[in-house]
Amino acid sequence: DIQMTQSPSTLSASVGDRVTITCRASQSISRWLAWYQQKPGKVPNLLIYDASNLQSGVPSRFSGSGSGTEFTLTISSLQPDDVATYYCQHSNNFGTFGQGTKVEIK
Amino acid sequence: QVQLVESGGGVVQPGRSVTLSCAASGFTFSSHAMHWVRQAPGKGLEWVAAVSFDGTNSYYADSVKGRFTISRDSSKNTLFLRMNTLRTDDTAVYYCARGYCSTTSCYWGPLDLWGQGTLVTVSS
Repeated sequence: DIQMTQSPSTLSASVGDRVTITCRASQSISRWLAWYQQKPGKVPNLLIYDASNLQSGVPSRFSGSGSGTEFTLTISSLQPDDVATYYCQHSNNFGTFGQGTKVEIK
Repeated sequence: QVQLVESGGGVVQPGRSVTLSCAASGFTFSSHAMHWVRQAPGKGLEWVAAVSFDGTNSYYADSVKGRFTISRDSSKNTLFLRMNTLRTDDTAVYYCARGYCSTTSCYWGPLDLWGQGTLVTVSS
């Protein structure tokens, strides 16, 4: 089975900072990578699919990149509304989420 | 309104069974693969099961294989999860979620629509 590993587990940054989260797959998954945002007490929300495609309605400060085994989610200018846990997922398989990255405001 | 609404959660004793339902509305249910994803209290997301758009193929996480059964009734736009031989580590919020369709094709993932979730607590 393909394993997905995110880093860091927790991230604390200031408003306006550029933030990067990494997701690594245990073997190549091409560009079959999705990112989700889950705000506290809320339902997960799809942000990025196919590694770099922004889901409709998602702010443009979010972007994704990568292919093969290494992927990144970038928030270009962190906002208070971005406090959440972010998950990557191998999207063309049966399910394999990363363990999550909790983003906090410093 | 495009939405998924889960029901059927509650408190159940270890070893017993329960069936979750997910009512879909506002989109062509029969076009989409459907999934169940769970989240134990304070933990991350765990994919549980998926069923193809026409119900002919289903897949399960190793942790639930042989105990859980996913199914769908497209005449009622409803997804089900039959959960047998429940264990305390099955305690979680269970979400149903929709597989993505572009303008031309449909895929197993990503999951672009989620329900609000239903809590299943397995406890004696």
